[in-house]
Amino acid sequence: EPEVTQTPSHQVTQMGQEVILRCVPISNHLYFYWYRQILGQKVEFLVSFYNNEISEKSEIFDDQFSVERPDGSNFTLKIRSTKLEDSAMYFCASLSREGPDEQFFGPGTRLTVL
Amino acid sequence: SQQGEEDPQALSIQEGENATMNCSYKTSINNLQWYRQNSGRGLVHLILIRSNEREKHSGRLRVTLDTSKKSSSLLITASRAADTASYFCATLYNFNKFYFGSGTKLNVKP
Repeated sequence: EPEVTQTPSHQVTQMGQEVILRCVPISNHLYFYWYRQILGQKVEFLVSFYNNEISEKSEIFDDQFSVERPDGSNFTLKIRSTKLEDSAMYFCASLSREGPDEQFFGPGTRLTVL
Repeated sequence: SQQGEEDPQALSIQEGENATMNCSYKTSINNLQWYRQNSGRGLVHLILIRSNEREKHSGRLRVTLDTSKKSSSLLITASRAADTASYFCATLYNFNKFYFGSGTKLNVKP
């Protein structure tokens, strides 16, 4: 069964450093999303991406964040200068729009900012 | 906020009992999906219900959707200890944005 994959599973970084979180969506999907979940809190929408551009973003997704689809398979989330409060689980998801519109989630990347 | 909200926030039941969780949202949606999350783990998709559907079943799961009340319920029948997890509803708007509720923590005691 096709699945969304994310790397790394855990990333530890120093405050102020840049991090890139990687996702490989399901191959025939066209819509891509990033979410974050701070420990013990709800899952928060960050950004959606379609046709090589951002289609929607939340107030959390400020200038420190960017997304890219550098090739036909990867979808990345970059945080330019990490802050302590960026520590969270980051989930990538993709959606087909052909079928029941189910979002498929990756297993997440745990980001720890020290 | 357009985000869905679940209630109760926590639910503790005995194995074999049914568990019902509710979700409310605020604006028109494309669909509503229920997810499960074990502590510290990823999100597992359980069931999707489209805005033009009223009820769906999948195994021991039953989901209802009332678009007039902007609410949904998830029923887990004959619960098992392994059902212990957090359950989230997520609503899709304009195919661009999913909003997750704050979740219901279900504890099924053996």
